[in-house]
Amino acid sequence: GAVVSQHPSRVICKSGTSVKIECRSLDFQATTMFWYRQFPKKSLMLMATSNEGSKATYEQGVEKDKFLINHASLTLSTLTVTSAHPEDSSFYICSAGPGTSGSGELFFGEGSRLTVL
Amino acid sequence: GNSVTQMEGPVTLSEEAFLTINCTYTATGYPSLFWYVQYPGEGLQLLLKATKADDKGSNKGFEATYRKETTSFHLEKGSVQVSDSAVYFCALSALSGNTPLVFGKGTRLSVIA
Repeated sequence: GAVVSQHPSRVICKSGTSVKIECRSLDFQATTMFWYRQFPKKSLMLMATSNEGSKATYEQGVEKDKFLINHASLTLSTLTVTSAHPEDSSFYICSAGPGTSGSGELFFGEGSRLTVL
Repeated sequence: GNSVTQMEGPVTLSEEAFLTINCTYTATGYPSLFWYVQYPGEGLQLLLKATKADDKGSNKGFEATYRKETTSFHLEKGSVQVSDSAVYFCALSALSGNTPLVFGKGTRLSVIA
C-alpha cells in the first residue's frame, strides 16, 4: 500500500519553544492530508485538514494560531506547534490517501510523540 | 452526522481464545468500513476493509463482515496470539476520495500467554 512517513517520531522540547513535525507521502501525491491528535488511551481527534496550496481547514476548538499547518507541496505537510506548553504534549498522527482509491482508505504516518517540559 | 460506536475495552483474553470486538455505525449513504490496529508506540495500520454490503474483509486471521441491515462491522479472530495485543479502531469513510475517517474510540486488547 501507499506509504506515509512522519518525522520526528519523538521530540522533547522546553515550554515556550516551537516544534515542527513533517508528514510525507513517499509514493503518491497527496493534495489533502489530515492531522490527528491522540491523547493517552483515547481515540484519534481530527485537528485539521491540510490542503496543498491553500489554507488548512481546522476543526472546531483547534487553535489555528497554535497549530500552524503548511502544505507546500504534493508530498509534504508540516504541523508546527507554536509556543508549546505541557498541555500540548500528545501523540500527533498524519494521514493521507492517494485519492484514487474508491474506498476512501487512508494511510497513516508512524506518529510523533511530543513531550513539552 | 456520521459516527462509529465500538465496544469499550479493555479486553483481556488468553492465547488461542476467540475474539469479537463489536462495531456499529451511523452514516448516510453507503460508507466504506475499516478496522485499523495500533501497536504500542506506533501509528495506525490498516487491518482490513469492506466497501459494500455483505463484503467480508480479512487479514492475518481477522475477519469482519459489512452488515448493512444491522449497520455493523464486528471484528473477529478465531485464535488470538500474544502478538495481537494492540488497540483496534473501527472507522468509516462516508465518501470516496480524500475525506477524513470517522473513528470509534478504540478497544484495547491484551492477550496473555
